[in-house]
Amino acid sequence: ETGVTQSPTHLIKTRGQQVTLRCSSQSGHNTVSWYQQALGQGPQFIFQYYREEENGRGNFPPRFSGLQFPNYSSELNVNALELDDSALYLCASSLSSGRVNRELFFGEGSRLTVL
Amino acid sequence: QQQVKQSPQSLIVQKGGIPIINCAYENTAFDYFPWYQQFPGKGPALLIAIRPDVSEKKEGRFTISFNKSAKQFSLHIMDSQPGDSATYFCAASMNTGFQKLVFGTGTRLLVSP
Repeated sequence: ETGVTQSPTHLIKTRGQQVTLRCSSQSGHNTVSWYQQALGQGPQFIFQYYREEENGRGNFPPRFSGLQFPNYSSELNVNALELDDSALYLCASSLSSGRVNRELFFGEGSRLTVL
Repeated sequence: QQQVKQSPQSLIVQKGGIPIINCAYENTAFDYFPWYQQFPGKGPALLIAIRPDVSEKKEGRFTISFNKSAKQFSLHIMDSQPGDSATYFCAASMNTGFQKLVFGTGTRLLVSP
């Protein structure tokens, strides 16, 4: 059984650019969530995808968008990057959308630096 | 109301000691309370979780104590080891159509040999 894998592990962008981060969910998991973790802080919920649809969103602007594919993998896209977007972006997968099984399994994250 | 407050920010204990990390919440709709352990450069890993219908849960050396009336819960690490040195996050979520964890700010634990 493979865990949650994310790519790239590190990347550097400049302000105004766009970035795409990728995530493969744990085997058998159909739900993917994305979190932003600023340095020294707890993760903050960005959104969740279930059956290829966004079914929950945190307090993030529309320039944060995502996709989920039929194989349950996912992408996080961030447009018009700002300096404050510098953070560790974590992908988490789970067996269901959240009503029954609440366990979230996190990947190791993608460290984004915006200069 | 969506916040989970965590303390202390950092903690140093000797090997074999019992560090205790505390969390408090306001929103009574929260009904699932996990603890995550995070090592530098790694993603958070689920340690143990509790629901509000029980007051205590043990898994190995990790114990969650839950006080529903006080809206507080805590993590105890028995016989702590240097390998337990990490950042610990409490979190909470409610029963909605999606899984949104609200995390505390984290506690950096150092277990000295």
